[in-house]
Amino acid sequence: DQQVKQNSPSLSVQEGRISILNCDYTNSMFDYFLWYKKYPAEGPTFLISISSIKDKNEDGRFTVFLNKSAKHLSLHIVPSQPGDSAVYFCAARDNAGNMLTFGGGTRLMVKP
Amino acid sequence: DAGVTQSPTHLIKTRGQHVTLRCSPISGHKSVSWYQQVLGQGPQFIFQYYEKEERGRGNFPDRFSARQFPNYSSELNVNALLLGDSALYLCASSLVGLEQFFGPGTRLTVL
Repeated sequence: DQQVKQNSPSLSVQEGRISILNCDYTNSMFDYFLWYKKYPAEGPTFLISISSIKDKNEDGRFTVFLNKSAKHLSLHIVPSQPGDSAVYFCAARDNAGNMLTFGGGTRLMVKP
Repeated sequence: DAGVTQSPTHLIKTRGQHVTLRCSPISGHKSVSWYQQVLGQGPQFIFQYYEKEERGRGNFPDRFSARQFPNYSSELNVNALLLGDSALYLCASSLVGLEQFFGPGTRLTVL
């Protein structure tokens, strides 16, 4: 039973264009959502987060949107850069504790 | 400031053996969590410790155990290793209620 799903295993985008990574969840108890970026042979790096009481959070080129009614969140990267090429994980935390539930990841490739 | 550190980086074991993985959190972080990442999947929660007490446990068999020491470092132990235990084991530390920061992981290969 996958509570957090990233339905696109991969995404290819041209440099300078927008990258949109999507994530769906099923557990209504999730109250905090995070995006992590992972390069090979490294641990996940925290990118940006959003509380369930908000619908948007922006940090530089990265913006996360949350649609609670649809149980859907997305990460927008504008403009995309070749250095953004990595695997992106969506994660969710429930209000009972600090445990994170991760999606399966989306591999983003930004072409020069 | 140093980030989360894990040791060893890589480890090769044979079936039936046991393994101990170590983690040092970011200075000031009192919470440590362990995750298992199998190739092609997202990290899966194993344990969380806070102030040396277990605060959460994922859906893993009793062969997996962990502990946290007074200096907040942590060990993950896996007994009776199976081939399916081959994975990247990630440690994350956090201030309570905030973002978790991950170490580089320990790559365990079970032959």
